[in-house]
Amino acid sequence: DAKTTQPPSMDCAEGRAANLPCNHSTISGNEYVYWYRQIHSQGPQYIIHGLKNNETNEMASLIITEDRKSSTLILPHATLRDTAVYYCIALKFSGGYNKLIFGAGTRLAVHP
Amino acid sequence: DAEITQSPRHKITETGRQVTLACHQTWNHNNMFWYRQDLGHGLRLIHYSYGVQDTNKGEVSDGYSVSRSNTEDLPLTLESAASSQTSVYFCASSGTRGSTEAFFGQGTRLTVV
Repeated sequence: DAKTTQPPSMDCAEGRAANLPCNHSTISGNEYVYWYRQIHSQGPQYIIHGLKNNETNEMASLIITEDRKSSTLILPHATLRDTAVYYCIALKFSGGYNKLIFGAGTRLAVHP
Repeated sequence: DAEITQSPRHKITETGRQVTLACHQTWNHNNMFWYRQDLGHGLRLIHYSYGVQDTNKGEVSDGYSVSRSNTEDLPLTLESAASSQTSVYFCASSGTRGSTEAFFGQGTRLTVV
């Protein structure tokens, strides 16, 4: 699976959009981009994933560049509860075998 | 509702003792995983299983073992606990159909004294 690079930390004001970048320049055509987050010491929580197209769900939006070398996770109206470590993971599916390898992630701090 | 549960949530054990952490999921997922997370660090994969009777070593498997006798459970055993294995342990499961997400347990905080 391709290596991903994320900034170690970011700040965001409450109510503003949080845009978390991820670089995956070596991603292959059949690798998905997954985002998880970990709030304090809880288990990681799935946010969203995509392959080529932009995706949106009730939690966030995922924008993937046309060349697929980078992506951005957007939390449209960040709240204090969105303070967490966010992980971007490139993941290939091979017959349903899909182990997640976590990097260091981005520590997002949402402030009032 | 389907869920994944870990037990115990907290455990203190002595160096050299054998310890088993339980993980039980009701998603009927084939894939199950064990991770450890040390203070201030990311998650590291210990062992994983893609189905009954299947087990594989992850990034940090030394001193740990798993067995998969049914779909629902993947217990993690520390053969002879060491202080370096003091950590928070997370279990996860995921399906095998399409690009499905993984679900994580609440974690087990293990202290080896």
